[in-house]
Amino acid sequence: AQKITQTQPGMFVQEKEAVTLDCTYDTSDPSYGLFWYKQPSSGEMIFLIYQGSYDQQNATEGRYSLNFQKARKSANLVISASQLGDSAMYFCAMRGSYNFNKFYFGSGTKLNVKP
Amino acid sequence: NAGVTQTPKFQVLKTGQSMTLQCAQDMNHNSMYWYRQDPGMGLRLIYYSASEGTTDKGEVPNGYNVSRLNKREFSLRLESAAPSQTSVYFCASSELAGESVDTGELFFGEGSRLTVL
Repeated sequence: AQKITQTQPGMFVQEKEAVTLDCTYDTSDPSYGLFWYKQPSSGEMIFLIYQGSYDQQNATEGRYSLNFQKARKSANLVISASQLGDSAMYFCAMRGSYNFNKFYFGSGTKLNVKP
Repeated sequence: NAGVTQTPKFQVLKTGQSMTLQCAQDMNHNSMYWYRQDPGMGLRLIYYSASEGTTDKGEVPNGYNVSRLNKREFSLRLESAAPSQTSVYFCASSELAGESVDTGELFFGEGSRLTVL
């Protein structure tokens, strides 16, 4: 079975600083995809970044990067130069190759950016 | 471009009542999903439909039924609502087709907040 663990229920970061949100996963699938989503207080789910298990390089999308350590089964999200608008819930998710239709989500991390 | 549209956005039910959440996507995606979101538990998959005409159970299917009416529409029905079904429900779709994990992030609707008294 797949499992996603986010151990930080809440975090604070100073505006303009970088922050790392932790995500570890457990799977026996030979290949899988890892996703991060942002959920602002308005409630919508916004896709941020994707990392494939066979990708040689860490994914980057603007100020977002994914620190992928396959041996440790971790896929941490790094947000550089935090902005007030980054305050939100962040969810890590995974999809495996054995049942590629099932996305599994972690419990989320609430990020608060302080001015 | 509407994306994924869910209705209703808010609903209050009494225990034992039934209701259907409607979902439609205009992105021609094959796969559609229903999730529920509860505080501290992330999103949990209720049912999904990999393609038109097929549906499968997710992690928490008890108390729910689904219908994939056509490629665009995927509805979630609560036959006899219970207070434990108070939650925010999200419909999502993905263009995923074929056995690949390399593409196909989920596109979400805005959510439906359901309260069962």
